[in-house]
Amino acid sequence: EIVLTQSPGTLSLSPGERATLSCRASQSVGSSFLAWYQQKPGQAPRLLIYGASSRATGIPDRFSGSGSGTDFTLTISRLEPEDFAVYYCQQYGSSPRTFGGGTKVEIK
Amino acid sequence: EVQLVESGGGVVRPGGSLRLSCAASGFTFADYGMSWVRQAPGKGLEWVSGINWDGGSTHYADSVKGRFTISRDNAKNSLYLQMNSVRAEDTALYHCAKSSSGHYNWFDPWGQGTLVTVSS
Repeated sequence: EIVLTQSPGTLSLSPGERATLSCRASQSVGSSFLAWYQQKPGQAPRLLIYGASSRATGIPDRFSGSGSGTDFTLTISRLEPEDFAVYYCQQYGSSPRTFGGGTKVEIK
Repeated sequence: EVQLVESGGGVVRPGGSLRLSCAASGFTFADYGMSWVRQAPGKGLEWVSGINWDGGSTHYADSVKGRFTISRDNAKNSLYLQMNSVRAEDTALYHCAKSSSGHYNWFDPWGQGTLVTVSS
């Protein structure tokens, strides 16, 4: 089973700042088989990024993903008030599919 | 618009059984892989099980293998999760989620979930 470790656990930032979230895999997830999700309280997760760097439909271009193999990054270029949430990475290169433990982006 | 609506959750005693359902609409259900993903109260996401487009391939998390069974009825546009021998640690909100292809890769969209509480 591929273990995904997300860091930091919590990121305290102000609106307008840049957020950089990390997701590290215990072994290669293959050809960039990694997705990112955003979850707000009381809501289902929403897909942001798939294929490590492709934005899902309707996702603003301030969200970007990068990385391959075992190290991946989600970047939010300028935080908007609605971006404060929990973010999860997920690998689909092997079964079982696994999620990272999440990074909470909170208002500083 | 793609819609996924889960049902069947509730309170169940340890060792008991429960069957969850997910009604899908707004897309050709038979063309896509589907999964169940759960979230314990205040915790992160855990993939539970996935099934490919025709039900010919299924996979499970180790935590539920041998106790849970995923299935689908493409004629009814429905996904199911049969939960047997449930444990306290199975308490969670269970979401069904659509994949982008016939197998299960990333999940988009997700249903709002159905809550399962295992308690005596």
